Amino acid sequence: KAGVTQTPRYLIKTRGQQVTLSCSPISGHRSVSWYQQTPGQGLQFLFEYFSETQRNKGNFPGRFSGRQFSNSRSEMNVSTLELGDSALYLCASSVLGTSTDTQYFGPGTRLTVL
Amino acid sequence: TQLLEQSPQFLSIQEGENLTVYCNSSSVFSSLQWYRQEPGEGPVLLVTVVTGGEVKKLKRLTFQFGDARKDSSLHITAAQPGDTGLYLCAGGEYAGKSTFGDGTTLTVKP
Repeated sequence: KAGVTQTPRYLIKTRGQQVTLSCSPISGHRSVSWYQQTPGQGLQFLFEYFSETQRNKGNFPGRFSGRQFSNSRSEMNVSTLELGDSALYLCASSVLGTSTDTQYFGPGTRLTVL
Repeated sequence: TQLLEQSPQFLSIQEGENLTVYCNSSSVFSSLQWYRQEPGEGPVLLVTVVTGGEVKKLKRLTFQFGDARKDSSLHITAAQPGDTGLYLCAGGEYAGKSTFGDGTTLTVKP
């Protein structure tokens, strides 16, 4: 069974631009969560989607948004990029996204904002 | 918001030594996961523990979930350089969200 895939793996953007990251979950997984990982803050929850609906959202500004498609694939978008948005963005999928479900992570997208 | 505290934050040991990493919380978790992450990669799941008092073994790694389901430990026997990495514990909080500890960076020197 294929794991979680994320594209692109690396991205370099400049301040003010916007970016779209993509995530394909494990087949059969309907919950997709996004996390931001930085050295100083660790892994921080961005949002979670289930059946094309955002169920939960972390404490990030509205510049961070996402969506999920009918095949469970998900995208996240960051608009008006800031230097502080440089991070490893991780996508995780689970079957139903319950508190007892295990999340499986993709390799991440390394975003660098110049 | 539930919090997970990991200790130690950094650990540097010689090959062949044993070590234990701790993950503690004041909250009860339905389950806890342990992940290992290498630089520039996503966390890779090592184990999920669900039942209070549960002990799971994965080769030289032993995982324990506290009786009250508030804490967990990871013990590595005879560490090898290939064990080097960031070890993260995570607890399922609510739908689609896991709370992560800050991680333990382990370096095993040959």
